[in-house]
Amino acid sequence: GDSVTQMEGPVTLSEEAFLTINCTYTATGYPSLFWYVQYPGEGLQLLLKATKADDKGSNKGFEATYRKETTSFHLEKGSVQVSDSAVYFCALSAANQAGTALIFGKGTTLSVSS
Amino acid sequence: EADIYQTPRYLVIGTGKKITLECSQTMGHDKMYWYQQDPGMELHLIHYSYGVNSTEKGDLSSESTVSRIRTEHFPLTLESARPSHTSQYLCASSEFQGGSYNEQFFGPGTRLTVL
Repeated sequence: GDSVTQMEGPVTLSEEAFLTINCTYTATGYPSLFWYVQYPGEGLQLLLKATKADDKGSNKGFEATYRKETTSFHLEKGSVQVSDSAVYFCALSAANQAGTALIFGKGTTLSVSS
Repeated sequence: EADIYQTPRYLVIGTGKKITLECSQTMGHDKMYWYQQDPGMELHLIHYSYGVNSTEKGDLSSESTVSRIRTEHFPLTLESARPSHTSQYLCASSEFQGGSYNEQFFGPGTRLTVL
């Protein structure tokens, strides 16, 4: 079945460091891909998304490119801030699926220190 | 502003009590979900609904029950709370677009502690 695998955390960085969180997926068909972020004590917020191969999603300095050839959707940011400390979830939505709709990875905790 | 609400945000309750976690959305979305989030932060789908009078069990077995009498409202009930029910519960909704349910919108969550 469809699945998402993302790198295990925690990821600990200093402010202004470069961030990469790896995400790979297995899916039949052509899924849409998402990154969600969860700040402490809150629900999940959509960070960015891409709906077809080679699309780049971007928001708040974060970027991810839908790579069909490597079945990947890695999250990157050039210079992280303390306020980026959160848990990040990669997810996919299989096309034409009327079931559970989103399949989430296990989440990666990012901790940024000043 | 369209949004999704959960109450209470925090609940501490004794074993054996009946509880209902409330979830409401103002976006008119037909599909709604309940997730249980474990301490390792992994999300587990426990219930979902396609619309009024529709409820389905999710991937993780749960002793909770849900109802969907109105489009905007999707409450979750535990008839007899136990310490093993201690967890974070997240409600979400989505809209059917272009042949699939796409992004989900999440509420702030309810942190439940059963003593």
